[in-house]
Amino acid sequence: KQEVTQIPAALSVPEGENLVLNCSFTDSAIYNLQWFRQDPGKGLTSLLLIQSSQREQTSGRLNASLDKSSGRSTLYIAASQPGDSATYLCAPRGNTGFQKLVFGTGTRLLVSP
Amino acid sequence: NAGVTQTPKFQVLKTGQSMTLQCAQDMNHNSMYWYRQDPGMGLRLIYYSASEGTTDKGEVPNGYNVSRLNKREFSLRLESAAPSQTSVYFCASTVQEPDTQYFGPGTRLTVL
Repeated sequence: KQEVTQIPAALSVPEGENLVLNCSFTDSAIYNLQWFRQDPGKGLTSLLLIQSSQREQTSGRLNASLDKSSGRSTLYIAASQPGDSATYLCAPRGNTGFQKLVFGTGTRLLVSP
Repeated sequence: NAGVTQTPKFQVLKTGQSMTLQCAQDMNHNSMYWYRQDPGMGLRLIYYSASEGTTDKGEVPNGYNVSRLNKREFSLRLESAAPSQTSVYFCASTVQEPDTQYFGPGTRLTVL
């Protein structure tokens, strides 16, 4: 059974810092992995989807990397802004048949002005 | 283009009452999902519909039923609500597996 761990559970940084959020998963047989953002009281917004054959995926100030063999993904946020404050969730998807997304419990990020 | 919409936004039930959570998407997506989110447990899949006319159980289906009414709408029914079903419920959709999933704003349900 896939298990997903996100470290740290919470992170507080001053505006402008570059930061890394970590995601580890126990089953490396994945098809892809998604990173989501969740604002308080809101739904999830997809940030990046990285295929198992990819090493990196970039969108603006966000960069996600994937090391499938070691069961790790990182989300790098450059030049953080207060608007980046949210909970970030990673979710790998298995690669056989219909495989559901398995979500981590997230990293709660607070960026202070 | 509203994306994924859910009604109601909030609901309080008494134990034993029934209710239906509604979800609709206007993106012509084939697959739709219902999740619940509980503190410290992440999101867990309740039911999904890979395409119109099909539904399947997810990880935590007990106490729930679903209906894929048409391509746009996917409803979740609680026949006899229990306090353990207090949660935030999210509907999601995707063009087809295994593409990006798009989520609705959620329904906060409290069962007393």
